[in-house]
Amino acid sequence: AQTVTQSQPEMSVQEAETVTLSCTYDTSESDYYLFWYKQPPSRQMILVIRQEAYKQQNATENRFSVNFQKAAKSFSLKISDSQLGDAAMYFCAYRSWGGKLIFGQGTELSVKP
Amino acid sequence: DAGVIQSPRHEVTEMGQEVTLRCKPISGHNSLFWYRQTMMRGLELLIYFNNNVPIDDSGMPEDRFSAKMPNASFSTLKIQPSEPRDSAVYFCASMRKGGYTFGSGTRLTVV
Repeated sequence: AQTVTQSQPEMSVQEAETVTLSCTYDTSESDYYLFWYKQPPSRQMILVIRQEAYKQQNATENRFSVNFQKAAKSFSLKISDSQLGDAAMYFCAYRSWGGKLIFGQGTELSVKP
Repeated sequence: DAGVIQSPRHEVTEMGQEVTLRCKPISGHNSLFWYRQTMMRGLELLIYFNNNVPIDDSGMPEDRFSAKMPNASFSTLKIQPSEPRDSAVYFCASMRKGGYTFGSGTRLTVV
């Protein structure tokens, strides 16, 4: 069975600085997708970024980028130029070939002004 | 597009009562997922459907929980009888071609 691990329950960053959130996963599949979701206090789940495992190039979305290391089964999220609105719970997620989406435990990010 | 619609947004019920949570997926999405979120256990996948057929219900905690998807536009998650430990936020999500959309969730409190 696939598992997703986020080892940082909480992280803090100064406004305008850069922060990296860690995620590792375990799978025997070779083709899959990885995601980062943001959950603000409103509890809405918002897709931040998505990575296809067959693509070697790391995905980027504006200030958000990932470091995808397939052999190491690592998928970290880097947030550049952090803003107050980035404060939220961040979840790493793995999508298996069958469509099942499995989440890590989450990292709560706070942004200090 | 109204997104994934869940109702009710909040539900408070007494222990032992039956609770039914509802979800309307996005039209054209062929997969539907039910998740439960708690502080202790995070986001747990309870069950998911492909083309209205339950595929994996291994996350359903016990027989008190049941889920149905009678058609492509409606799903329910029922808890009978409810217990205080069922208190959580329950999310429904629908998916098409790898794109997932989540509802706003139902916060269930069982007293």
